[in-house]
Formats: sequence, structure tokens, C-alpha cells
Amino acid sequence: EAGVAQSPRYKIIEKRQSVAFWCNPISGHATLYWYQQILGQGPKLLIQFQNNGVVDDSQLPKDRFSAERLKGVDSTLKIQPAKLEDSAVYLCASRLGLTSYEQYFGPGTRLTVT
Amino acid sequence: AQTVTQSQPEMSVQEAETVTLSCTYDTSESDYYLFWYKQPPSRQMILVIRQEAYKQQNATENRFSVNFQKAAKSFSLKISDSQLGDAAMYFCAYRTSKAAGNKLTFGGGTRVLVKP
Repeated sequence: EAGVAQSPRYKIIEKRQSVAFWCNPISGHATLYWYQQILGQGPKLLIQFQNNGVVDDSQLPKDRFSAERLKGVDSTLKIQPAKLEDSAVYLCASRLGLTSYEQYFGPGTRLTVT
Repeated sequence: AQTVTQSQPEMSVQEAETVTLSCTYDTSESDYYLFWYKQPPSRQMILVIRQEAYKQQNATENRFSVNFQKAAKSFSLKISDSQLGDAAMYFCAYRTSKAAGNKLTFGGGTRVLVKP
């Protein structure tokens, strides 16, 4: 079974530029999460989708971050414009459904904002 | 809001020996799940073990076991017979049992170093 795919793996941009990350969850997984992991910290949830609907985006900085999962499969997270403090690893995870235990994580995208 | 605290930034263990990682959490809920995740240097998070709060029996997965103290809100991970491949960041995580809002809340992590 293929795991959660993310691209790109690494991205370096200057502040005020835009960037987009892509995630393809495990086939059939209805729940998709985006986490932000700042160096030396644990991951923090940015947004959670159930199929193509948003369940929780309470910690998403909506003035600069946006995410979509239009067909309920893959998802895109965008930052526009980026700030220095956005430097982090962005992790995508998926789960089969609301009653399943395990979240499966992708390898992450390491973003450096200079 | 739930919080998860890991007080040990780094732990070192000799190969084949045992190491215990600490985790405390704060919640007002009575039913929830606790997890330990491993994050090797390649960054892909892997589930190590989980514990349901309603279960009194501590979970065990091969060389990994937990000590779940619900009243004390403590959830430690014991790694027995440590191997070089156990070197990684370990994160303790909490999740509500409610169907909605079932995100993971992570602690700050503990880095485990394994000495040959």
C-alpha cells in the first residue's frame, strides 16, 4: 500500500513570496490533516479535512495560509505571503475515517524562508 | 484545551539497555487516547504504541511498553533492549475520543540517542 505522498520535499523562498505544498493521502482515507512542525517542537495542527469539508481550521493563520481539498482526495496548502516565522516542516497525515485510530504521516516538506 | 508535556529534551541509552521517556498531559475529559510516535531523522512519523484511557491494562508492542497512570495524567514509554534503530525523536500525543475535533495534540518531543 502506498503511503502519504508529499511534494516538494524541500523549498527555499524569500519572505513575501508565495509557496504551495501538495499532499496525496493513502487511497480511501477520508480524513486529511496538515501540521506545522517548527524546529525543536512537536507538530501543531493547521487544518483538518473530512472528505472535502473543513473540520477544524482554528489554528490556521487565515490571513496568509489557505488549504483546499476540492475532490476529497489530494490537498494543497498555500502560504501567501510567507514570513520568516513560517520556516518549518509541513506534515500531511491521513486517516481512514473518524473511528480509526491511526494517522499515517507523509515525509513532510521542509520550508526555509529567508 | 489539552496540553502535553515532555520534560526530557534528550535521553541517552546504551545499546541493549532500557530507557524510559516521560509524558504528562492535562485534560478535563475522561475518555481519550494517548499515543507515542517515533520520528527518525528522515522525518516520517511512525506510530509506536497507543493506549485507550478506558483500559486499565498498559499497552505493549514488542520491546515498547507504556505505564499509564490516569489519575496522575502520566503516560511514560519504556524501550527495552534498545537498538541502534531506536534512535529518533519520540513524541507523546493526545486525542479526544469524540468523533469531531479528533486532532492529535503533541508534546515537544524527546530525542533518544543509542550508544553502541
